[in-house]
Amino acid sequence: NAGVTQTPKFQVLKTGQSMTLQCAQDMNHNSMYWYRQDPGMGLRLIYYSASEGTTDKGEVPNGYNVSRLNKREFSLRLESAAPSQTSVYFCATPTKGNAEAFFGQGTRLTVV
Amino acid sequence: KNEVEQSPQNLTAQEGEFITINCSYSVGISALHWLQQHPGGGIVSLFMLSSGKKKHGRLIATINIQEKHSSLHITASHPRDSAVYICAVAKRTSGSRLTFGEGTQLTVNP
Repeated sequence: NAGVTQTPKFQVLKTGQSMTLQCAQDMNHNSMYWYRQDPGMGLRLIYYSASEGTTDKGEVPNGYNVSRLNKREFSLRLESAAPSQTSVYFCATPTKGNAEAFFGQGTRLTVV
Repeated sequence: KNEVEQSPQNLTAQEGEFITINCSYSVGISALHWLQQHPGGGIVSLFMLSSGKKKHGRLIATINIQEKHSSLHITASHPRDSAVYICAVAKRTSGSRLTFGEGTQLTVNP
């Protein structure tokens, strides 16, 4: 039982390059989230998906797109990376009733 | 002003000390979470509270809904407790989406 699997763990991109961060959960949860974590700030919500087939913008969606491919997988895409997107990215999924949140291991992204 | 404020931002303690981390919030909530982030970066849930108090091992979490305040206590602290502790709230208007505090960096020295 892997929980939440997030790949890659590290990535360096040049400005303007694109990439997709992958997230998969094996807990049969409906909701999935993408957050970014920056120094001196709490985690901020980029996009979320309340159920398969739906996605919604969070607090800081600009420069990102998402796909909820199926119930298990929720990917985050940077079409044209910018240095301001240097951050640590976390995928997360809560249990029904929000009793507990499960996080992926994080992706440390650097855009140069 | 952040909707979720934690204090202190940084805390250094000696092994064995009793530790308290505070969290204040300014919005109506349905639940409050305490999370732990280890130096390797992974985040794990410690507690979810909607009222009262919960205990797990040496960790105790309390919440006062009227005062919009929660505390995380660690008894008999140990170097392995060194981590960032994060408070997060589920706002009544936001379903299961969480709003996070900035975190408290705890270092416990042997």
